[in-house]
Amino acid sequence: EPEVTQTPSHQVTQMGQEVILRCVPISNHLYFYWYRQILGQKVEFLVSFYNNEISEKSEIFDDQFSVERPDGSNFTLKIRSTKLEDSAMYFCASKRQQSSYEQYFGPGTRLTVT
Amino acid sequence: AQTVTQSQPEMSVQEAETVTLSCTYDTSESDYYLFWYKQPPSRQMILVIRQEAYKQQNATENRFSVNFQKAAKSFSLKISDSQLGDAAMYFCAYRSADTGNQFYFGTGTSLTVIP
Repeated sequence: EPEVTQTPSHQVTQMGQEVILRCVPISNHLYFYWYRQILGQKVEFLVSFYNNEISEKSEIFDDQFSVERPDGSNFTLKIRSTKLEDSAMYFCASKRQQSSYEQYFGPGTRLTVT
Repeated sequence: AQTVTQSQPEMSVQEAETVTLSCTYDTSESDYYLFWYKQPPSRQMILVIRQEAYKQQNATENRFSVNFQKAAKSFSLKISDSQLGDAAMYFCAYRSADTGNQFYFGTGTSLTVIP
């Protein structure tokens, strides 16, 4: 069964550095999402992406964050200048179409900012 | 904004027994969807079961069933005949039927299955 994949599984970076988290959604899916989960807290929505543009974003998704679909398969989340509070698990998700009930999640990337 | 609350950070169940995981939510919307996702250790979240708010009948998927109480805004998950493979983190999630984009998750319940 097709799965959403994410790389790397764990990323350690120093405060102020840029990081790019990568996701490969399921191939025939059209809607893409990023979520994050700070340790011990809820999974929080960051952004949704469709037709090569952001369709919705949360308050968390400020100017330090950006998303891109650089080619036909990858979906990336960039954090320009990481802060300690960006340490979290980041989940990518995708779904086939607007009316689809389910979002399919990747295994997550654990980002540690030191 | 919608909120989802899971009041049980950890639960345990004996193999072959039944366990119920609790979830409550807060919304002013009348049409929405509720989900239970399972996340095994180091694996992705997978959908266990979903419930459409307009349906009165509780959803069932094999050993998994829900008790959906719309008026009480409660959505509990019952796992019958628990198996070792059921051990995971379980997340309750809400999605509006109107806007439909983002999921609102609870903090999760870690389920341990005791052999």
